[in-house]
Amino acid sequence: SQQGEEDPQALSIQEGENATMNCSYKTSINNLQWYRQNSGRGLVHLILIRSNEREKHSGRLRVTLDTSKKSSSLLITASRAADTASYFCATDGGGGADGLTFGKGTHLIIQP
Amino acid sequence: DSGVTQTPKHLITATGQRVTLRCSPRSGDLSVYWYQQSLDQGLQFLIQYYNGEERAKGNILERFSAQQFPDLHSELNLSSLELGDSALYFCASSGRGRLGRDTQYFGPGTRLTVL
Repeated sequence: SQQGEEDPQALSIQEGENATMNCSYKTSINNLQWYRQNSGRGLVHLILIRSNEREKHSGRLRVTLDTSKKSSSLLITASRAADTASYFCATDGGGGADGLTFGKGTHLIIQP
Repeated sequence: DSGVTQTPKHLITATGQRVTLRCSPRSGDLSVYWYQQSLDQGLQFLIQYYNGEERAKGNILERFSAQQFPDLHSELNLSSLELGDSALYFCASSGRGRLGRDTQYFGPGTRLTVL
């Protein structure tokens, strides 16, 4: 079963606009990670936020985590055509389970 | 470039066959993870090795097995292949790894096609 569920499934915006993706999960976690995948290629790690953190920034990326609501959001500011990709949230199992559980992803399209 | 390498990039084989996928983790990483990505199942965790020992199992079929060698590279063996095994197989590695609380870095994947 999938732990993370991204919302929306697909998002199309104009270049320069901000893109926000959300992720919900079901069980307790140690950390939550966001990954990007360009069409059938490898997963690129974007950012990791730990369960005791509420917000984290990395360049044009801003991630929030609300453990009380079991949700996270990824904000990409000033989007570029190169940001077109699928974005996945992934949670570790917590309780010692190590493999990441991925959501189905948000497919982001940046229109030039 | 994540530093994780996987070979081969593409593999085409027939049903009933056996294949071996290879992964070299980032230098110094002790944990290796295997994942499968398919259209219907999405990304699924298969198995983790830590410093040569099996650490955790996910949705790995009995027809699949893995091992991690003393030099820390890992191999995923898939046998009695079925059409439904066609997928992208990713390897990831992490540093402290034993508790899975570190960033996992993914390789470029091996695309397996079973005909």
